[in-house]
Parts: sequence; structure tokens; C-alpha cells
Amino acid sequence: VQLVESGGGLVQPGGSLRLSCTASLFNLNNYWVTWVRQVPGMGLQWVANINQDGSKKYYVDSVRGRFTISRDNTQNSVFLQMNSLRAEDTALYYCSSAIAAADSLWGQGTLVTVAS
Amino acid sequence: QSVLTQPPSASGTPGQRVTVSCFGSSPNIGKNPVSWYQQLPGMAPQLLIYNDDQRPSGVPDRFSGSKSGTSASLAISALQSGDEADYYCLAWDNSLDFCVFGPGTKVTVL
Repeated sequence: VQLVESGGGLVQPGGSLRLSCTASLFNLNNYWVTWVRQVPGMGLQWVANINQDGSKKYYVDSVRGRFTISRDNTQNSVFLQMNSLRAEDTALYYCSSAIAAADSLWGQGTLVTVAS
Repeated sequence: QSVLTQPPSASGTPGQRVTVSCFGSSPNIGKNPVSWYQQLPGMAPQLLIYNDDQRPSGVPDRFSGSKSGTSASLAISALQSGDEADYYCLAWDNSLDFCVFGPGTKVTVL
């Protein structure tokens, strides 16, 4: 049972990336999913979350309008489309299912670096 | 400035009890459940406490959570060297309409 993030990498300011969070050996469709990021050496920042059927989405102010969270329950995956990237978006991005519930699970993260 | 505040550090000797506090306000801790996360060096965070004081299965009962008004606390009893980590609180904020983490507390075992 695990979550695996992918899609990170080096991108220029103003560019775009799409992160994926895919579940193995359990049905991600049953859970809210959250993206959390962490600048190396710094604290955790909650970024966005989405409910089970994708009808409810919430974003931290600093990414609203630039990032879009979505899910494809046929792929057992959640995505984070990141546009208009800035240097301050550089971080390790984690996904978590049921972040504040008894069966909470976190992935190992994918690194996003925004630099020219 | 963080919506939730935590002391940057806490410490104790093996076997001691250490408490980490998380201070908020009415829209967040005052009205919503608090969860706590442990992040060991180089590792992803993991849930320690949810709904203020509930422990997921597998979390030792040395870890306990409590809440009063607009503040919450995580207590670690019988401190062990393996408890050296960063600890974060998390709560939904009704005014901001998103979740907020505290800045984290580094616990050191002396």
C-alpha cells in the first residue's frame, strides 16, 4: 500500500509542470487527497486538496489561480497542474490521502525546481 | 507570520516527558480538529494524532494529544532517541478556507 508522486523536475520561471499522485494496492477514490510542499530545510505548507468525486477543491492563497488539482478515478490518481511557476514554488511536493484521518498515507515526494 | 504558532524547539532527556504546543485562534483551532505529524530526518511526514486526541493504529501510546480553546498540545512521554524529529500541527481555518500547518517544533533528545 503506497502513494507515489511523479512529474517533478527543473522548469523555468513562468513554465508549467503536472504532478501525479498514484495509489498502489488501495482505492484512492475513497479518500480526500492533499498536496503539501516543503522547501528543503523549511516547514510544511498545505497547498491544495480535493474530495472523493472531485466536486470540492481548495487552494492556499499563494497558488490559487495558478495551480489546479484534479483526479482521475479510473487511473487511481490525483494531479496537480502547476502553471506560471515562480522561484518560490521550488519545493518537495508530497501527496497524502486522508491527511487527517486514521488511515492517513503519504508519498515520498517529488522535487520541483523553478530556476533559469 | 504563521496563523498557527509553535515553539521552534523543545528538548528532554531519555525517559522524560516533552510537550509541544500549537497556538491558534477561533477560526482554526477554536472551531476545527487538530492533527499532529512527525517528520523524521530525511523522511516524509507521518500522522501521529488526529481529531485532537486520537491515535492511528501503530502509533505508540507514548504520544498523546489534547486541545483547550484555541491551543493544542502534543505530549511525548518516556522520550526516546528515536523521537528526535520535527513535529507539526495542522488545522483547517474557516476564515482562510484552507488548511494551515504550524511552523514546526524540533524535538531534541539530550
